Amino acid sequence: GAVVSQHPSRVICKSGTSVKIECRSLDFQATTMFWYRQFPKQSLMLMATSNEGSKATYEQGVEKDKFLINHASLTLSTLTVTSAHPEDSSFYICSATDVNGYTFGSGTRLTVV
Amino acid sequence: AQSVTQLDSQVPVFEEAPVELRCNYSSSVSVYLFWYVQYPNQGLQLLLKYLSGSTLVESINGFEAEFNKSQTSFHLRKPSVHISDTAEYFCAVSLGSGGYQKVTFGTGTKLQVIP
Repeated sequence: GAVVSQHPSRVICKSGTSVKIECRSLDFQATTMFWYRQFPKQSLMLMATSNEGSKATYEQGVEKDKFLINHASLTLSTLTVTSAHPEDSSFYICSATDVNGYTFGSGTRLTVV
Repeated sequence: AQSVTQLDSQVPVFEEAPVELRCNYSSSVSVYLFWYVQYPNQGLQLLLKYLSGSTLVESINGFEAEFNKSQTSFHLRKPSVHISDTAEYFCAVSLGSGGYQKVTFGTGTKLQVIP
């Protein structure tokens, strides 16, 4: 079946630095990818919809200048958390769609210290 | 806009007992419905989905869910749970037309299987 690879699985960074998270569709082309954020003991909240070759669509309340999304190819979308702060610490998950539905990456645990 | 309600945040159940995890949705248009399972510090795995057709859908590991349009529900059931079923389960909904669109998740139900 469809596989989405997300990297890194865990990252610890210093406050003020930027972190890039990659989401790759391994055996299919994904024109649309979604980025979610999950706070401890809470559900997944959609942050943005990433469309190949165009600007991402951000959900209300998500800072587009802080969470930069690039979907440069049909198999890769990246999320960059810029000038990270401790409150950005969270679990970030991407998903991609193919004809059979949604496939999720394994998630990235970001800890900002 | 569509929404999902999972009333039970935690469900403890003894091993080999049956379980039902409740999910209700709200939408004015047709929807796709999903159940996902998440193990600690991992991503989501699709358990089963309803797109159209038969209202009873099954997973390979013994779970099933039934789409009930009149009650706007998509409850997840398993007749006999195992320790390995301990995880968090998310019900989700998306618009049922125009291809796959963004998914709205419920708040999750933590299933704890007691030996």
